[in-house]
Amino acid sequence: AQSVTQLGSHVSVSEGALVLLRCNYSSSVPPYLFWYVQYPNQGLQLLLKYTSAATLVKGINGFEAEFKKSETSFHLTKPSAHMSDAAEYFCAGGGNKLTFGTGTQLKVEL
Amino acid sequence: ETGVTQTPRHLVMGMTNKKSLKCEQHLGHNAMYWYKQSAKKPLELMFVYNFKEQTENNSVPSRFSPECPNSSHLFLHLHTLQPEDSALYLCASSQDRGGTYEQYFGPGTRLTVT
Repeated sequence: AQSVTQLGSHVSVSEGALVLLRCNYSSSVPPYLFWYVQYPNQGLQLLLKYTSAATLVKGINGFEAEFKKSETSFHLTKPSAHMSDAAEYFCAGGGNKLTFGTGTQLKVEL
Repeated sequence: ETGVTQTPRHLVMGMTNKKSLKCEQHLGHNAMYWYKQSAKKPLELMFVYNFKEQTENNSVPSRFSPECPNSSHLFLHLHTLQPEDSALYLCASSQDRGGTYEQYFGPGTRLTVT
């Protein structure tokens, strides 16, 4: 069965610090991987996607993610957190049927 | 209008009411989805439509009835709901033929069943 696992349901960082949100996928997940962000009372917004063209993927708002097949990981990073990054982040993978992780709530503190 | 739109944004209904949620995508996609998002639970896929045909029903109770009249519109008809059906209902669309399957989401309908 396909699975996408996000380690840590809550992550807290200081403003200006590195953001690292972890995502691992099962090897049965087809090689399309995505990160989405959700702000309160809104839908999910696509941050970035991996489609095998390049292992390092750059997205919106300064986020990027690196696909590591050997580790079955697709972690999301941002060099410097901003208060506006506080939101819930979802990793997803699959083809015509996406499997979503359970989400990571990112808190950014002053 | 651009992207995926959903109406209404908020809905309060009694358990004996009948209401419908509407979703419209302006992206030219061929697939549309309904998801349920409850507090402290993973995103639940409810229904999938491809070229107006239902291709997935994830054991959703019959009190939820989807309708897809064309590739751009998707409805979710609701009747005799239960309080546990209160949640954020999200619609999404994607291009599944020759695309990379990323789904684009609407803003959701916040449903409260009283």
